Amino acid sequence: SAVISQKPSRDICQRGTSLTIQCQVDSQVTMMFWYRQQPGQSLTLIATANQGSEATYESGFVIDKFPISRPNLTFSTLTVSNMSPEDSSIYLCSVEGRLERDEAFFGQGTRLTVV
Amino acid sequence: QQQVKQSPQSLIVQKGGISIINCAYENTAFDYFPWYQQFPGKGPALLIAIRPDVSEKKEGRFTISFNKSAKQFSLHIMDSQPGDSATYFCAASIRANFGNEKLTFGTGTRLTIIP
Repeated sequence: SAVISQKPSRDICQRGTSLTIQCQVDSQVTMMFWYRQQPGQSLTLIATANQGSEATYESGFVIDKFPISRPNLTFSTLTVSNMSPEDSSIYLCSVEGRLERDEAFFGQGTRLTVV
Repeated sequence: QQQVKQSPQSLIVQKGGISIINCAYENTAFDYFPWYQQFPGKGPALLIAIRPDVSEKKEGRFTISFNKSAKQFSLHIMDSQPGDSATYFCAASIRANFGNEKLTFGTGTRLTIIP
């Protein structure tokens, strides 16, 4: 199994500011995924991050708002830029299993509140 | 269509009873159907998964039933226990798309097991 550490676990931010969320995996993985989970809602994929290339964003999400870095095979960051209260959500990092590619592993999430 | 529809939104089951959660999908290209369990403050964790070449998969008290022709799959939790109280998400992906196995999640079911 893959162990994923996300930082910070929670934060309260002022509107108009930016927050960078870090995701560290204990093994090398090809693909990393960033999801958003709004309160009481399902998970929505923001983007897929492949090491060495630009992230691929899903419909409704843009790089200017959610820039992603993937400097190596064990680390990624997601930045939530120019935040508004609508960005209050849980942001989750996910990777596919190392040995069994069928399983996706998730970090514990970052609970973001924008005031 | 990438949508996965899940029902019910919430479910209350007596301890020892059977919990049943249903999902339906539209995209016939989906070839992997996992169920995730999420406790408050935690990321989702894989519970059980099935591929469309089998109609049922059982792991302990958890069973997935899969109906390919109806494009439906369901999770059955036998002998439900208070520790099973959590939010459950069905999901689907296209594993044949190597390197882009993004998950499409259902809307979630909040399960409560009462004594």
